[in-house]
Amino acid sequence: EVVLTQSPGTLSLSPGERATLSCRASQSVYNSYLAWYQQKPGQAPRLLIQGASNRATGIPDRFSGSGSGTDFTLTISRLEPEDFAVYYCHQYGNSPETFGPGTKVDIK
Amino acid sequence: QVQLQESGPGLVKPSQTLSLTCTVSGGSISSGAYYWSWIRQHPGKGLEWIGYIFYSGNAYYNPSLESRVTISVDTSKNQFSLELTSVTAADTAVYYCARVGGAADYWGQGTLVTVSS
Repeated sequence: EVVLTQSPGTLSLSPGERATLSCRASQSVYNSYLAWYQQKPGQAPRLLIQGASNRATGIPDRFSGSGSGTDFTLTISRLEPEDFAVYYCHQYGNSPETFGPGTKVDIK
Repeated sequence: QVQLQESGPGLVKPSQTLSLTCTVSGGSISSGAYYWSWIRQHPGKGLEWIGYIFYSGNAYYNPSLESRVTISVDTSKNQFSLELTSVTAADTAVYYCARVGGAADYWGQGTLVTVSS
């Protein structure tokens, strides 16, 4: 099973700042099949990025994904108030699919 | 706009079977372009993939749950279902159904299932 490790566990930033979230896999993720989701309290996760770097439909361009192999990054270029949430990475290239433990982005 | 809605009991007794159904609207399960997944989230915790099914009925499960899980599909009702047997308190979670074409792009709102006597 591919274990995903996300860092940091919590990121405290102010609106307008840049957020850089990391997701590291215990082994190479096949074909960079790595997704990022945003989850707010009481809501289902929302797909942001799939295939490591492809924004999902309707996702603002301040969200970007990069990486390959075992190291992946989600960048939010300028935090908006609605971006404070928990972010999960998810690999779907290796069976079983697995999720990271999440990074919480909160307001400093 | 595709929408998914979970339904089923919110309380299940230990050792019994958890049964949930996901009703899909705004799109056909039989389209063949997607598979249909169950994912759960323990209270205050991260996400766990349970398994998924194609419209044809071919299903794939997380090995950690495979001995207790069955996912089935009813294309006539545009629904797919989850059964989890021999539940314990460790199965208490919010259960989500989702449409998957690689990543999960549409999710239900989730339903909390509590295992308790």
